[in-house]
Amino acid sequence: GAGVSQTPSNKVTEKGKYVELRCDPISGHTALYWYRQSLGQGPEFLIYFQGTGAADDSGLPNDRFFAVRPEGSVSTLKIQRTERGDSAVYLCASSLTPLDRILMNTEAFFGQGTRLTVV
Amino acid sequence: GENVEQHPSTLSVQEGDSAVIKCTYSDSASNYFPWYKQELGKRPQLIIDIRSNVGEKKDQRIAVTLNKTAKHFSLHITETQPEDSAVYFCAASTDLIGFGNEKLTFGTGTRLTIIP
Repeated sequence: GAGVSQTPSNKVTEKGKYVELRCDPISGHTALYWYRQSLGQGPEFLIYFQGTGAADDSGLPNDRFFAVRPEGSVSTLKIQRTERGDSAVYLCASSLTPLDRILMNTEAFFGQGTRLTVV
Repeated sequence: GENVEQHPSTLSVQEGDSAVIKCTYSDSASNYFPWYKQELGKRPQLIIDIRSNVGEKKDQRIAVTLNKTAKHFSLHITETQPEDSAVYFCAASTDLIGFGNEKLTFGTGTRLTIIP
């Protein structure tokens, strides 16, 4: 597609349930990032993939959060036993590799996000 | 880890006047500083960025300045227009060629309102 696509756009779930959020990056982008944005705050880093592997998962808040990118393109963020504090907009972004970015001066493109509400 | 502070949190400017938003960062290894504009309910969009090997960059009405010694950088918008109204976020990261580690640390945002 033309941009980063995230589905669903909105998700309402009950406390304790499991949810999956999907991100389709821009074709050819090897780097993929997940961020979480709470109301009135800046995006907060969760995890970064370079290809299929998680290069940096230091932002995942606890072991209820997990993300995969098995084929190096689509990524799924998984949240187990959801809590009300997990409610936020989950943003995905993709970009070319660091070297490509510097040579081509491109940036990380964000998706529209998934608004997760835990009730 | 990196800590980015952003001021002011809200800013109202008369149309046609200039707006300045300031950020400071803590990690001296940070070398990439983008600015994002986010309209209500929409995705953050990059408007300008600067790397640590330059002190200033300009793109039409938008400019960014970087002071590595003081560890602060600023966004300048001149001749403001109503469509400039949005939330602006600064960010910082360490961009290592070939190694990644590009997580962005964002500031808390500035809500800019342009008064017609």
